[in-house]
Amino acid sequence: EVVLTQSPATLSLSPGERATLSCRASRSVHSFLAWYQQKPGQAPRLLIYDVSNRATGIPARFSGSGSGTDFTLTISSLEPEDFAVYYCQQRYSWPPLTFGGGTKVELK
Amino acid sequence: EVQLLESGGGLVQPGGSLRLSCVASGFTFSGYAMSWVRQAPGKGLEWVSGISGSGTSTFDADSAKGRFTISRDNSKNTLYLQMDSLRVEDTAFYYCAKGANRDHPYHFEDWGRGTLVTVSS
Repeated sequence: EVVLTQSPATLSLSPGERATLSCRASRSVHSFLAWYQQKPGQAPRLLIYDVSNRATGIPARFSGSGSGTDFTLTISSLEPEDFAVYYCQQRYSWPPLTFGGGTKVELK
Repeated sequence: EVQLLESGGGLVQPGGSLRLSCVASGFTFSGYAMSWVRQAPGKGLEWVSGISGSGTSTFDADSAKGRFTISRDNSKNTLYLQMDSLRVEDTAFYYCAKGANRDHPYHFEDWGRGTLVTVSS
């Protein structure tokens, strides 16, 4: 099973700041990594798939990069609605499809 | 607009059974693989089971093998999860999730709002 480790666990930032979230895989997942956003009381929402492809309707301030075992989700300038928990997920080596433990982006 | 509506959650005793349903609309249901993903209260996401668009292929996490059965009825646009021999650690919100293609779950483009399963005596 591929283990995904996300860091930091919590990121405290202000609106307008840049957010950089990390996801590290226990072995290469090539380019098959996705990112989701989840707000309290809501279902997750797909942001990015296959490392860098934005899902439908996702603003350009969200971008993904990386390959192999190290991946990054960047939010270029935080909007108030971006404070949430973010999860990465791999689809290269499955079953099982696996998720990281999440990074909470909170208001500083 | 894609809509996924789960139902069937509730309180069940350890060792009991539940069947979850997910009614889909807004897309060609048989054209997409589907999955169940769960989330224990306050915890992270865990993929449970997936099924191809035709229903001929199923995929399970180890936690589901031998206890949970995923299935679908494409004539009713409905996904199911039969859960048997439930354990306290199965307590979670269960989300129905639409995959990105017909044959494999891969990543999840759309999600339902979830249904809560509580396993407790």
